[in-house]
Amino acid sequence: DAGVTQSPTHLIKTRGQQVTLRCSPKSGHDTVSWYQQALGQGPQFIFQYYEEEERQRGNFPDRFSGHQFPNYSSELNVNALLLGDSALYLCASSKRTGGHQPQHFGDGTRLSIL
Amino acid sequence: QQQVKQSPQSLIVQKGGISIINCAYENTAFDYFPWYQQFPGKGPALLIAIRPDVREKKEGRFTISFNKSAKQFSLHIMDSQPGDSATYFCAAMKSSGDKLTFGTGTRLAVRP
Repeated sequence: DAGVTQSPTHLIKTRGQQVTLRCSPKSGHDTVSWYQQALGQGPQFIFQYYEEEERQRGNFPDRFSGHQFPNYSSELNVNALLLGDSALYLCASSKRTGGHQPQHFGDGTRLSIL
Repeated sequence: QQQVKQSPQSLIVQKGGISIINCAYENTAFDYFPWYQQFPGKGPALLIAIRPDVREKKEGRFTISFNKSAKQFSLHIMDSQPGDSATYFCAAMKSSGDKLTFGTGTRLAVRP
């Protein structure tokens, strides 16, 4: 049973460019959340997708956008990249129903902005 | 606003000792408190979780203690092993399907 998979594992971009990160949730999961983890910090919530709609959003600018596909996979897009966007981007999946369902994380995409 | 405060920032424990990590929260709407373990280059992995109506939960060498009135909870790692060396995050969420709010993390090093 494959867990949460993310691609690519590493990415190097320059300021002003755009990037797309991808996530496949754990089998049986229908909800995908994205987090940004700066070096030495805890993950910060970006947004969450369920039924192909953004359900919650953290304190991130509109440069950060996403999408969820019918197969529950998801993409995170970041436009006009800034140096401060350098971080580990984590995807977590969970089941929406059935009480508190644990969120399972992928190993992330390490994004470096030059 | 730091809604979940975690301490200490780093911890060194001898093999076989007890590792204790503490967290405090402010938002009384939080009702689910998981702990995650993260190794370098990996994503956080769920370790153990607790709800406020339970004072203590134990899974193997890992125990969560919860003090609802003080809005505090802690992770105890008994018989700590070098393989436990990792960064530990406490987290909180308000309801099913809610986002996770993480603490700042504790870097644990277990000396042989």
